[in-house]
Amino acid sequence: AQSVTQPDIHITVSEGASLELRCNYSYGATPYLFWYVQSPGQGLQLLLKYFSGDTLVQGIKGFEAEFKRSQSSFNLRKPSVHWSDAAEYFCALRGGADGLTFGKGTHLIIQP
Amino acid sequence: NAGVTQTPKFQVLKTGQSMTLQCAQDMNHNSMYWYRQDPGMGLRLIYYSASEGTTDKGEVPNGYNVSRLNKREFSLRLESAAPSQTSVYFCASRGDRSNEKLFFGSGTQLSVL
Repeated sequence: AQSVTQPDIHITVSEGASLELRCNYSYGATPYLFWYVQSPGQGLQLLLKYFSGDTLVQGIKGFEAEFKRSQSSFNLRKPSVHWSDAAEYFCALRGGADGLTFGKGTHLIIQP
Repeated sequence: NAGVTQTPKFQVLKTGQSMTLQCAQDMNHNSMYWYRQDPGMGLRLIYYSASEGTTDKGEVPNGYNVSRLNKREFSLRLESAAPSQTSVYFCASRGDRSNEKLFFGSGTQLSVL
């Protein structure tokens, strides 16, 4: 069975500081991996995705993520966060079946 | 370009009542999905439709039925609502398999009393 684990339920970061959100997955082969962001009262928006090739992928809004097969991880990073980055972040994978398997999410709080 | 449109945005039901959540997309996508989002649980797949005329169960299908009315529309029906179905429901669609990007609607907040 495939699964996604986001170990941090909440993360608080000061504005301008760097950010790393953790994501670990369980799947028998190399999955397709995604990071989505959800602002309050909104649907989800795709930040970036990894299918194959370069293990460092760039996304929108200045986010990047690195796929590490040896650690079964796909952590999301941003060098300097802005207050508008406060949101819920979801890591997801697509394995063999249709549809995505989502992690439980990490709630990002930005301190002024 | 509207994308994925869900109706209604909010709904309150009594236990045992029925209702249908509507979803339509205008991107000519083949695949459509229904997810539910509960606090601390992330999003869980209820049903999906890979193409017009086909539907398949996801992770949490019990208590729900779906209809892929045509390529644009994918509805979710609760025949006899239960308090455990209180949740936020999201419809999503996806284009071709080479992209894999899901486009989400803005959600339906459902409360079952």
